This record gives sequence, structure tokens and C-alpha cells, in this order.
Amino acid sequence: EVQLLQSGGGLVQPGGSLTLSCAGSGVTFSTSAVSWVRQTPGKGLEWVSNLRGSGAVTYYADSVKGRFTISGDTSKNTVYLQMHSLRGEDTAIYYCARRSPSGSFYDYWGQGTQVTVSS
Amino acid sequence: QSALTQPRSVSGSPGQSVTISCTGTSSDIGTYNYVSWYKQHPGGAPKVIIYDVTKRPSGVPDRFSGSKSGNTASLTISGLQPEDEADYYCCSYGGSYSLLYVFGSGTKVTVL
Repeated sequence: EVQLLQSGGGLVQPGGSLTLSCAGSGVTFSTSAVSWVRQTPGKGLEWVSNLRGSGAVTYYADSVKGRFTISGDTSKNTVYLQMHSLRGEDTAIYYCARRSPSGSFYDYWGQGTQVTVSS
Repeated sequence: QSALTQPRSVSGSPGQSVTISCTGTSSDIGTYNYVSWYKQHPGGAPKVIIYDVTKRPSGVPDRFSGSKSGNTASLTISGLQPEDEADYYCCSYGGSYSLLYVFGSGTKVTVL
């Protein structure tokens, strides 16, 4: 059974930093693409970042570029999202999601983790 | 580039059919056939129900069907069931490095 288990998240002050983790079981991330997707009540789902393969190729939404870093540890089969200079508008539930082998859709999702940026 | 446009809500009685539209642009839906649809219950993670515009993953009832015309994709639920009440999101390949994937704004389906 494939599972994506997320950890990290919580309450952080504006300007602060936080790291999210997404550990895969039943799936090898080094041969998959993994995205971080966030969800806010008012804006729905928003793609944030993507890591392809062993981490050589990364992509970021304009809203987080320069502040967030996606990375992977193949030995732990885990993908990370380092978030710096956090803003109130980054408050959301963050999901990691695996891209299907064909690359055309998200076939597995993590359980989601809340990130709240507030003083 | 904005989110794909979906109606905020649709509703129907059990057994009826409902259709959710998802309007994008020539840069996303209009160019690529990588349109997928996700169903989400409150407090849960999204789950794919349609991919590659028209394909259903195993285990998804054939009451769910997808289509595309121009810049607009659609999800149709035929024979609406109470368990279909949920939020539905479309997603398309965005085609650019800074918008690799773009999601719809979400549609709440209510079974009357």
C-alpha cells in the first residue's frame, strides 16, 4: 500500500521559517515527481512546487520563488519543503502529492499539514 | 496566470445528472490533454476521479465522466448518489516553469 506521511507544520511568526517533510512508503520517490500543493478556504488548491526524479529538476510558483526550497533525500525516501520569510498569505493546509508514472495526474496524496503564519 | 474557473456550487437530486465546468486558457486546457479531476471530502485529501481528460482510475464508478472542448473541461456525474456530495477540483498542466500545474477554484456538489 502506498502512503505519503507528512510531518512538520505548525504556528510560526511572520518572517519565520518552517520545514515540511513527506515520507513515502510503497513508492520510490527517486523515480517519481512529487509536488507540494496548498489549500486555503478562500483560494482552493494551489500548486506550490515540484521535484522531479532525484532532485535535479525543481519548479516553483511565483508566489513562493526565492522563499521556498524543495529537496529530496533518496536514502530516506523523503521530500522536504523548506519555507523561509513566511507571510500571512502562506497560511494553508499543505499537501505533498505524487505525480503518476505517466506524469499526468496526482495519484497519491499525503494527509495534509496545517501551516499558520501569525504573530 | 489565474486558477481555472469553476462554478462555486452545483446541486441535484439523487439520480439526476450534474455537470461541472472548468474553464482555462489556450496555455493550459486548450493545449494539453493533462486534465484531471479530484474529489475531496471535508477534512480529507483530494482523490483523483478522472485523468487525461476522460480516463477513470480503477475503482471509480462509471457514473463519473470527463470531456473537453477548447479551453473548457467538464466533469459529469450521472445518477447522482448521496456519497457524491463533496468538493470537486479540476487540474491542468500549466505549461510553464512557474505554473507547472494549475487547479480550479473548486465546486461544491450538493445532493438535495
